[in-house]
Amino acid sequence: AQKVTQAQTEISVVEKEDVTLDCVYETRDTTYYLFWYKQPPSGELVFLIRRNSFDEQNEISGRYSWNFQKSTSSFNFTITASQVVDSAVYFCALSPGDRGSTLGRLYFGRGTQLTVWP
Amino acid sequence: DSGVTQTPKHLITATGQRVTLRCSPRSGDLSVYWYQQSLDQGLQFLIQYYNGEERAKGNILERFSAQQFPDLHSELNLSSLELGDSALYFCASSSRFEGQMNTEAFFGQGTRLTVV
Repeated sequence: AQKVTQAQTEISVVEKEDVTLDCVYETRDTTYYLFWYKQPPSGELVFLIRRNSFDEQNEISGRYSWNFQKSTSSFNFTITASQVVDSAVYFCALSPGDRGSTLGRLYFGRGTQLTVWP
Repeated sequence: DSGVTQTPKHLITATGQRVTLRCSPRSGDLSVYWYQQSLDQGLQFLIQYYNGEERAKGNILERFSAQQFPDLHSELNLSSLELGDSALYFCASSSRFEGQMNTEAFFGQGTRLTVV
């Protein structure tokens, strides 16, 4: 079974604080892909990052960074020096990649509502 | 702009009615996915089409159906609508070639359906 857990339902921070959004996943597939999406108040889903199961390198993109740890089945997302525009719901998602899996199908967590106050 | 176009953006209809949601994938993408986002269920996969053929089904009700046309656009048909069908319906497209390493799915802006 495929499952993504985002235990933090809501997080509030003040601008310029760093914030980490947690994501824990479950899968029996040996090949899989992990994603983060952002859903701002306007409602669209914006792709942020994809990670392959065989690549545990952490990644940094501007103020965003991602920490992928297979040993703990976690794929956490950190925003450094948060800004009001970062306020959104953030979704972690898993896509299984083994033979027989539905390629491209995403299993989403319930999302974390991040509010950044000025 | 993701390149995926969904119409209409908003739809209000009465219980028992039937509606059609439309999706145009990114240029060249052969896979189309439909998702439903509701407060109760979160983001749930409904169905996938690849190059006109149904590939996978998720938690899609029998009252719902979809198809993908030769020009690769897709439609999601919802019939005998109930209040609980009110949700945000997303279309996503990805993967130019089946079996290709899993690429990210790009989502349209969604259709917000309200059943009254």
